[in-house]
Amino acid sequence: NAGVTQTPKFRVLKTGQSMTLLCAQDMNHEYMYWYRQDPGMGLRLIHYSVGEGTTAKGEVPDGYNVSRLKKQNFLLGLESAAPSQTSVYFCASSYWGTSGRYEQYFGPGTRLTVT
Amino acid sequence: SQQGEEDPQALSIQEGENATMNCSYKTSINNLQWYRQNSGRGLVHLILIRSNEREKHSGRLRVTLDTSKKSSSLLITASRAADTASYFCATPNFGNEKLTFGTGTRLTIIP
Repeated sequence: NAGVTQTPKFRVLKTGQSMTLLCAQDMNHEYMYWYRQDPGMGLRLIHYSVGEGTTAKGEVPDGYNVSRLKKQNFLLGLESAAPSQTSVYFCASSYWGTSGRYEQYFGPGTRLTVT
Repeated sequence: SQQGEEDPQALSIQEGENATMNCSYKTSINNLQWYRQNSGRGLVHLILIRSNEREKHSGRLRVTLDTSKKSSSLLITASRAADTASYFCATPNFGNEKLTFGTGTRLTIIP
């Protein structure tokens, strides 16, 4: 199993450009998440999904959109990139909250720089 | 807002010594989790302790939970250079849909 994979690994954008980050998991997890990690800030939740076709806002959703058209994929979009969105982005997935299995599995991250 | 706060922010110890890091949280929880992050990598789940447990062991890891003080500790015994990483505690919301992570403890093991 590949676990959780993220594409791309690195990206440099100019202010105002758009891009989509792709997350894929092969563990049949119901829940998927997008986080950003900035120095000294820990991980902050951007958006999450509790199942195919559903999405919900996290702690820092502004400037981002997400879609979960297929159970195994979770896409994070930046419509008009800003320097404040320079960060490392992590995708994660987990089982149902009622399954008793609460741990999250993380991808390797995407390092995004907006100039 | 951060639910979990780790202490200390950074810790350096000699190889072979024990490392202890602490986590405090604010609201009632039904479990608390610890994760490790090696430099430039994603987080890896280490251990979960449920609210009705006071202590849990996994290999060289020992986790304690004190729900009355809303605090947890992670002890790594007989540390190794490979334990150099950042360690995060994480707590779930009521429905276990999402986690809130602390800011982490950066542990450096000196060979």
